[in-house]
Amino acid sequence: DAGVIQSPRHEVTEMGQEVTLRCKPISGHDYLFWYRQTMMRGLELLIYFNNNVPIDDSGMPEDRFSAKMPNASFSTLKIQPSEPRDSAVYFCASSLGQGIYNEQFFGPGTRLTVL
Amino acid sequence: DQQVKQNSPSLSVQEGRISILNCDYTNSMFDYFLWYKKYPAEGPTFLISISSIKDKNEDGRFTVFLNKSAKHLSLHIVPSQPGDSAVYFCAAQTRQLTFGSGTQLTVLP
Repeated sequence: DAGVIQSPRHEVTEMGQEVTLRCKPISGHDYLFWYRQTMMRGLELLIYFNNNVPIDDSGMPEDRFSAKMPNASFSTLKIQPSEPRDSAVYFCASSLGQGIYNEQFFGPGTRLTVL
Repeated sequence: DQQVKQNSPSLSVQEGRISILNCDYTNSMFDYFLWYKKYPAEGPTFLISISSIKDKNEDGRFTVFLNKSAKHLSLHIVPSQPGDSAVYFCAAQTRQLTFGSGTQLTVLP
């Protein structure tokens, strides 16, 4: 299995532009998670989906952030408009189930820089 | 307010010696604890875990200790190897994972 796939690996954009991050989870995994990594706060959960349905988006920082999962093999995280403080590494992860003993498998991340 | 804290952003250890990474948590509802390891330009990967009903779990060179009364867990790596150099994230779980901010471990040859 190829694991969780994320694209692009790096994104540099200017403040005010729209940014779209993409994720392909591991086939057969019913849960998909979006995380953001910063130096100060570590890994923060932004939103997660179960069977393509958003379950908890309480970690999404602002209305500028939105996420979709149109099918079981694809999810997007969009930031519009982007701001310099959005600069971070964004990870997508997937798992078979929820809770303990359900290991989350992470993608390689997208490093976003907003100038 | 961070519920999982790793107060040491970095740690350097000589090859062959013990590495001890620490983690504190505040939520007594956490019932499962994990350590993830992250190499540069890669995503975090699961390393070892422990249930709240245990106080120790060992897997080869890696041992995790849990002190529930102190709300503290630690990861011991013995002996440390240069390939262990990575960022280590502590995580705690109820339904979802709550991660700490990570500790950069550098094992010096």
